[in-house]
Amino acid sequence: SYVLTQPPSVSVAPGQTARITCGGDNIGSKSVHWYHQKPGQAPVLVVYDDTDRPSGIPERFSGSNSENTATLTISRVEAADEADYFCQVWDSRTVHVVFGGGTKLTVL
Amino acid sequence: EVQLLESGGGLVQPGGSLRLSCAASGMTFSNYAMSWVRQAPGKGLEWVSGISASSGSTYYADSVKGRFTISRDNSKNTLYLQMNSLRADDTATYFCVRTVISFSSEKGNDYYFPYWGQGTLVTVSS
Repeated sequence: SYVLTQPPSVSVAPGQTARITCGGDNIGSKSVHWYHQKPGQAPVLVVYDDTDRPSGIPERFSGSNSENTATLTISRVEAADEADYFCQVWDSRTVHVVFGGGTKLTVL
Repeated sequence: EVQLLESGGGLVQPGGSLRLSCAASGMTFSNYAMSWVRQAPGKGLEWVSGISASSGSTYYADSVKGRFTISRDNSKNTLYLQMNSLRADDTATYFCVRTVISFSSEKGNDYYFPYWGQGTLVTVSS
């Protein structure tokens, strides 16, 4: 089965840039989607189709995807960005949705 | 405003059954694929099952195939998940999610979740 690998945690100071990676075999050939989830709340889509943002998501959130790594970049990090972040793809070979294990973003 | 309201969760003994429901509003329910995603306490997200807008196609994670059945009633704007032979590792919050299914010549099929319900907790324990 297809596996997505995320670092368990990322820490960043307010105002700096956070980069959260999502590794997978030739992930650049797939569309990658990103969600954030705050404690006790449902996940929220923050980036879809590698680089697009849903309405209401700040421009500070951006995505990229190439070869074996997709990256969610959060510029000018704020305390409110502290959350768990999950990447997700569709694996057409198994016709399954696959989520990464999640990354806890801590704002120092 | 899209609203997805799950119900039907609760405590059930191992081997038991439960049916989850998800009432959709603020959208033309029959136009959209839908899915269930679950999250065990303190753990990550796990896709469970998906169904096309017309119910013509259904998909299941290997961990639930043969035990869970996804269905929908477009006349009632409601999604269901029938869960049988429940096990302790099925304990989780179950989210109802509106699903986008698309295709691009560059990347093939695509499947993601722009709208989520607040979830319903299923606890499997004796």
